[in-house]
Amino acid sequence: NAGVTQTPKFQVLKTGQSMTLQCAQDMNHEYMSWYRQDPGMGLRLIHYSVGAGITDQGEVPNGYNVSRSTTEDFPLRLLSAAPSQTSVYFCASSQWGAEEQFFGPGTRLTVL
Amino acid sequence: KNEVEQSPQNLTAQEGEFITINCSYSVGISALHWLQQHPGGGIVSLFMLSSGKKKHGRLIATINIQEKHSSLHITASHPRDSAVYICAVVGATNKLIFGTGTLLAVQP
Repeated sequence: NAGVTQTPKFQVLKTGQSMTLQCAQDMNHEYMSWYRQDPGMGLRLIHYSVGAGITDQGEVPNGYNVSRSTTEDFPLRLLSAAPSQTSVYFCASSQWGAEEQFFGPGTRLTVL
Repeated sequence: KNEVEQSPQNLTAQEGEFITINCSYSVGISALHWLQQHPGGGIVSLFMLSSGKKKHGRLIATINIQEKHSSLHITASHPRDSAVYICAVVGATNKLIFGTGTLLAVQP
């Protein structure tokens, strides 16, 4: 099993550009989530999904969109990148929200 | 005030020392996670617990639900234990709420 994979590992964007961060898991987990990690702050939930076709907002959803068309994939879209979105992004999955969490390796995003 | 507080924020220890990292929370929870993040950035799950105590190798995690407090202990610490240790609680809506982490450096 590959576990949770994320691409790309690093990305530099200019303000106003859009992009999609990819996340995939091969463990047949229902629960997937996106977090951002900023210095001095705990990981913060952006969006999450409890199964294919179902998504919901987390703590900091503004500027991001998600979709869940399959159990395996949970892409995160930045609609119009802003410098405030410079961060490290982690995707995670679990069988359910309260179960053991499996994290992807992270994507380091810089918005100039 | 953060819903999940960890202490200390930074900890330096000598190899072989017994280490304790604390986590206090102010919300009702169904479970608590301890996670480890190495300098390369990857995050791995160490423990998930909802009561009592769990042990894995040199790591021990305890939780006191009444006092809303959990501890992570490392016995016979080693430089390879150097990492950020993160406490996260599962709140009422099954979402994770994270502490800001404890940066541990174990010196040889």
